[in-house]
Amino acid sequence: GQQVQQSPASLVLQEGENAELQCNFSTSLNSMQWFYQRPGGSLVSLFYNPSGTKHSGRLTSTTVIKERRSSLHISSSQTTDSGTYLCALERYSNNRIFFGDGTQLVVKP
Amino acid sequence: GPKVLQIPSHQIIDMGQMVTLNCDPVSNHLYFYWYKQILGQQMEFLVNFYNGKVMEKSKLFKDQFSVERPDGSYFTLKIQPTALEDSAVYFCASSPLNQDTQYFGPGTRLLVL
Repeated sequence: GQQVQQSPASLVLQEGENAELQCNFSTSLNSMQWFYQRPGGSLVSLFYNPSGTKHSGRLTSTTVIKERRSSLHISSSQTTDSGTYLCALERYSNNRIFFGDGTQLVVKP
Repeated sequence: GPKVLQIPSHQIIDMGQMVTLNCDPVSNHLYFYWYKQILGQQMEFLVNFYNGKVMEKSKLFKDQFSVERPDGSYFTLKIQPTALEDSAVYFCASSPLNQDTQYFGPGTRLLVL
């Protein structure tokens, strides 16, 4: 079964609105990483977040291990935020990463 | 920030030929990874590599695949022979420790005809 599930699959916002992306995992978590995938496919690491809350500009990541979930919050969205957001669960035991299917975000002007 | 480079950015080859994908990881990183993403599908783990050895590989890492990093040069993924289903974007990643952020390259787009 799939280890990592992301929701929503797609999201359309008006510029200035906030976005909440969710990632749920079914296996024991060692760490969660959030990526932004550019339309061309290359990945940008947004957060490496084993637990708790981290902030970076308009982005906030919160991982709650007990509840087996991680979220990515984007405040005051901009058109340049459009793209695919991937969460990935890492297991320390074998140093593997399991990716979710991603959330396709479209921010309209 | 740290950058991982991948060469070439695109490669088109005929089925049955050999292809080598090159990755230039972050200089002080010790752990290296390859991932595969077929167009429109999620990214999948292929293999990870440390201290000259494969640590783990997935079912996608077929017998036709091999990895190496001779003398600290490029970390390479070789496919010999290639098959049509090998067409995908291949991402290389590296990390300084085995419990740390993985930094990804921009990917190599491989098309097997």
